[in-house]
Amino acid sequence: EAQVTQNPRYLITVTGKKLTVTCSQNMNHEYMSWYRQDPGLGLRQIYYSMNVEVTDKGDVPEGYKVSRKEKRNFPLILESPSPNQTSLYFCASSLLGGGRNTEAFFGQGTRLTVV
Amino acid sequence: AQSVSQHNHHVILSEAASLELGCNYSYGGTVNLFWYVQYPGQHLQLLLKYFSGDPLVKGIKGFEAEFIKSKFSFNLRKPSVQWSDTAEYFCAVNENNAGNMLTFGGGTRLMVKP
Repeated sequence: EAQVTQNPRYLITVTGKKLTVTCSQNMNHEYMSWYRQDPGLGLRQIYYSMNVEVTDKGDVPEGYKVSRKEKRNFPLILESPSPNQTSLYFCASSLLGGGRNTEAFFGQGTRLTVV
Repeated sequence: AQSVSQHNHHVILSEAASLELGCNYSYGGTVNLFWYVQYPGQHLQLLLKYFSGDPLVKGIKGFEAEFIKSKFSFNLRKPSVQWSDTAEYFCAVNENNAGNMLTFGGGTRLMVKP
């Protein structure tokens, strides 16, 4: 089954404690991205990657890091989480190239709470 | 920069009522348009999409949307909603010259009363 898998689904952590949210897709998609979802703001892109070792900032990259060492995996790293990073996070993947390829497939989401 | 507006943040309807959710975008060039739905506690799922051709597109679960280029709009419609349509709906836009980047609207929470 084609899917994007995120882990964990729920996470409560304390300020400053490094964490990683994993994302894996099995569709051989080149393009992967991370979004955060906040009430009334929709989804805002944090980082994206167009292929292995190619990553770039989205609209709200501050406080986040990513890596793309393998095509299927795109982890999101919070080196020193703060309460304003409490949010619902989604990983997505799609084929590269725009147009019809921009249809994105989303993971189940990770609800992060930073206290 | 592209912006996407969904003017209705919350909509409450009774079952069998008709639905129209507005979506307007700012970019004047060629766009690809999407509506996603997020049921409570679940991830985003694609409802329908428009790339080219007939501006009236039909999606899953009886939803349709009409692309009106002159109004920069892509409104979502359903003639008769069901309780199971209770969800949050997101409009998303991709500019044809912006690679894979999707810009999302703020979302519309729909509650359908049984």
